[in-house]
Amino acid sequence: QLQLQESGPGLVKPSETLSLTCSVSGGSISSGSYYWGWIRQPPGKGLEWIGSMYYSGSTYYNPVLKSRVTISLDTSKNQFSLKLSSVTATDTAMYYCARQVVVLPAGSPKPLNWFDPWGQGTLVTVSS
Amino acid sequence: SYELTQPPSVSVSPGQTASITCAGDKLGDKYACWYQQKAGQSPVLVINQDYKRPSGIPERFSGSNSGNTATLTITGTQAMDEADYYCQAWDSSTVVFGGGTKLTVL
Repeated sequence: QLQLQESGPGLVKPSETLSLTCSVSGGSISSGSYYWGWIRQPPGKGLEWIGSMYYSGSTYYNPVLKSRVTISLDTSKNQFSLKLSSVTATDTAMYYCARQVVVLPAGSPKPLNWFDPWGQGTLVTVSS
Repeated sequence: SYELTQPPSVSVSPGQTASITCAGDKLGDKYACWYQQKAGQSPVLVINQDYKRPSGIPERFSGSNSGNTATLTITGTQAMDEADYYCQAWDSSTVVFGGGTKLTVL
């Protein structure tokens, strides 16, 4: 059974870079057909997609965050990471990592896309 | 940018049917999926590809998607179904989430 676990500092100072790692067990991040993504949720608010990466290196990011986000994979450690630069208090949130299905079914113009499973999440607070 | 709109809250009595809608421009031309998030927990996928239930999801959960609206239906709602529900779609290589609906089982 695939499991994901986020780790990283719980407190980051304004203007600094937030760095998180997602460790994957029960499966390889190098397996095909899956992307690996980050999603966040400010306290009391809804879900916001940050970005996703394929094992081959292909990435795509939320346009709103794109200028500040970097996602990378470490296949040797079966981990992937998130870096978010120049953080402010509005970046305070629960950060989740998740496996993402992105598939274009044969004969269909519509791509399949969903996140499953998700990690338990890690709360990051931006404060001096 | 593409937007998905959900009602902030829906209430239902135990044993009744709950319907949660997700509206977006020509949403029926895309696949929609749904997540359940109980208090203090991570989201769980309950419907993918508009109507398919992942393994382990009860049969009382069903989905549909047509026109501009996707709908999550819970038939015979139980107290354990009280949670926040989010729809999600994919548009122009961007993942979009709805704002979420709080389902209250009274």
